[in-house]
Amino acid sequence: GENVEQHPSTLSVQEGDSAVIKCTYSDSASNYFPWYKQELGKGPQLIIDIRSNVGEKKDQRIAVTLNKTAKHFSLHITETQPEDSAVYFCAANQAGTALIFGKGTTLSVSS
Amino acid sequence: ETGVTQTPRHLVMGMTNKKSLKCEQHLGHNAMYWYKQSAKKPLELMFVYNFKEQTENNSVPSRFSPECPNSSHLFLHLHTLQPEDSALYLCASSQDRTGPYEQYFGPGTRLTVT
Repeated sequence: GENVEQHPSTLSVQEGDSAVIKCTYSDSASNYFPWYKQELGKGPQLIIDIRSNVGEKKDQRIAVTLNKTAKHFSLHITETQPEDSAVYFCAANQAGTALIFGKGTTLSVSS
Repeated sequence: ETGVTQTPRHLVMGMTNKKSLKCEQHLGHNAMYWYKQSAKKPLELMFVYNFKEQTENNSVPSRFSPECPNSSHLFLHLHTLQPEDSALYLCASSQDRTGPYEQYFGPGTRLTVT
């Protein structure tokens, strides 16, 4: 079955810096890779996703890249702001199977 | 707001109690999920319903009993729980299971078993 590893587990940056979170997956059949942001007291919120037919996707300050050969994908946040502080989860799956989540990265942005 | 609501938001129960968690989605989705979120662990999928039929049960103990009366509502009935069952229980929904499709999560129920 699928296994997703996420690094780092914690990340501290200064406001305005960039943050990068990386995930690797094991099942080459996986073709859907979402990223979720979870703020304190809330459920995970989908912030961006990518499918295996593209290598990069961008939405304002966040971007996701996918390397199918190496089986890894990354979340990039530019110009970080204090409100970006949260736990971020990556996940992977294919049609009809369960989403497998990484263990999460706690991002702290200090002003 | 994600269109997925959960009640109650917090629940404290003794090991001999019986309680239920409720989830409702207003997105017109056909698949609904229960997840358990414990500290330092990945989200654990518990149950999946697709068009009201249970399609997955990930070896969840029988003290957790799901119910899906229609595509918009999902319940998790709890009885004789253990302290290690204390966690955040999250409900999610997606278009259906043929995807993969985006999953939308509710805010969760924080459960404490005493």
